[in-house]
Amino acid sequence: DTGVSQDPRHKITKRGQNVTFRCDPISEHNRLYWYRQTLGQGPEFLTYFQNEAQLEKSRLLSDRFSAERPKGSFSTLEIQRTEQGDSAMYLCASSFSLTGSGNTIYFGEGSWLTVV
Amino acid sequence: AQSVTQLGSHVSVSEGALVLLRCNYSSSVPPYLFWYVQYPNQGLQLLLKYTSAATLVKGINGFEAEFKKSETSFHLTKPSAHMSDAAEYFCAVTSSTGTASKLTFGTGTRLQVTL
Repeated sequence: DTGVSQDPRHKITKRGQNVTFRCDPISEHNRLYWYRQTLGQGPEFLTYFQNEAQLEKSRLLSDRFSAERPKGSFSTLEIQRTEQGDSAMYLCASSFSLTGSGNTIYFGEGSWLTVV
Repeated sequence: AQSVTQLGSHVSVSEGALVLLRCNYSSSVPPYLFWYVQYPNQGLQLLLKYTSAATLVKGINGFEAEFKKSETSFHLTKPSAHMSDAAEYFCAVTSSTGTASKLTFGTGTRLQVTL
C-alpha cells in the first residue's frame, strides 16, 4: 500500500531562488491538500484540489506561491523568489470523498524547506 | 470559523502512567474531530476521528478519545504510556457541513515519556 509521497524531503535554497515540491497522492484519491508547518506550530491549510480543480486557497498563499495538479494526479507546489519566512515543512495530503467531509486525510512525510 | 485549543504544549508522564492530552474545540456547526501523531521529522499519522457516531472513539496504539459536546472537548487518553508514545500530538477540527475535509489544527502537545 503506497502512501502519500513527497519529493524532495529536504531543500536548502538561497533567498530569491525558486523551489518546487512534488506530491504523489494515494492512488485514486480525488482530493489533494497542501499544508505548511513551522516549528512549534500545527499545520496550516494552504490549498486543496478536487481532481484537477483548485477549489480553495488560503490567504497564506501569497502571489509567490502556485500549486497545480495537472490531470488530477500528482501535484506541484512552486515558491518563487523565496524569502526566509518561507522556511517550513510543506505537507501534502490526500483523501477520497464524493461528497461532504469527515473522510480521513492521509499525510505525506513532508518537504522541509530552509531558505538561507 | 472553527478552532481547537490544546492545553499544555508539553506533557511529561512516566512509563506505565495514564496519558491525558487535552483538546477543546470551537465550532458553530457540528464538528468532526481528529487526533494525529507526528514523530520527529515525519508527517502526521491519524490516531482516531470522531464523525458523529459513537462519542467514545477508539484509535490505534491503545489511544481513545471522548467527544463531550457540553464541554466542547475531545481529550485523548491512553491508560498506560509506553516509551514509543513520545511524539507530538495534534488535535484538528473540520466542519461536518463543509464540502471538503479542510482541517484546522491546534498548536500541538509534545508528549515526553520517562522511565
